Amino acid sequence: SQQGEEDPQALSIQEGENATMNCSYKTSINNLQWYRQNSGRGLVHLILIRSNEREKHSGRLRVTLDTSKKSSSLLITASRAADTASYFCATDGADQAGTALIFGKGTTLSVSS
Amino acid sequence: ETGVTQSPTHLIKTRGQQVTLRCSSQSGHNTVSWYQQALGQGPQFIFQYYREEENGRGNFPPRFSGLQFPNYSSELNVNALELDDSALYLCASSLDGGEGTEAFFGQGTRLTVV
Repeated sequence: SQQGEEDPQALSIQEGENATMNCSYKTSINNLQWYRQNSGRGLVHLILIRSNEREKHSGRLRVTLDTSKKSSSLLITASRAADTASYFCATDGADQAGTALIFGKGTTLSVSS
Repeated sequence: ETGVTQSPTHLIKTRGQQVTLRCSSQSGHNTVSWYQQALGQGPQFIFQYYREEENGRGNFPPRFSGLQFPNYSSELNVNALELDDSALYLCASSLDGGEGTEAFFGQGTRLTVV
């Protein structure tokens, strides 16, 4: 079963614009991670935010976490055509088997030049 | 590239057959997790191996089984294949159970069951 949902399911923007994706989850977590997937290939780790953190930056990426609302957002600034991909949030929590990552259904981002 | 390699990259099997997928984890990683990703969906956790022992299992039937070897490489075996088993199978390696650390994914094996 999916832990949460990303919103929107699909997003189309122009190069240079910012892209914001949201993720909601259902149970308590230890960490939340964001991954990118190009054309049905392997997932690439983008950023990890711990449950006691509220905001984290990495290059053009900004992630926020609101544990009271069980939600996170990923902001990609000054987007490029190469950012076109599917983006997934994934959580791991104390009540999950092993240290399984539980993924949402993803947001498909399309950046046109 | 992540250093995690999966083989084969593509596979076509007939319903009822058995399949073995393989994964070589990143050097130094002792934990391997397997995921199934159906078209248009997020990856779903199948199971995890930590130092050759199963360390958690998702909601998959017993015909999905696995192994982890002393060199920490891993196999996923699926018996009695069903059409719904058609998916991208992803292997991810991490260190010491993976909690709070990055998981490194392979490029996946695309399994088609006909």
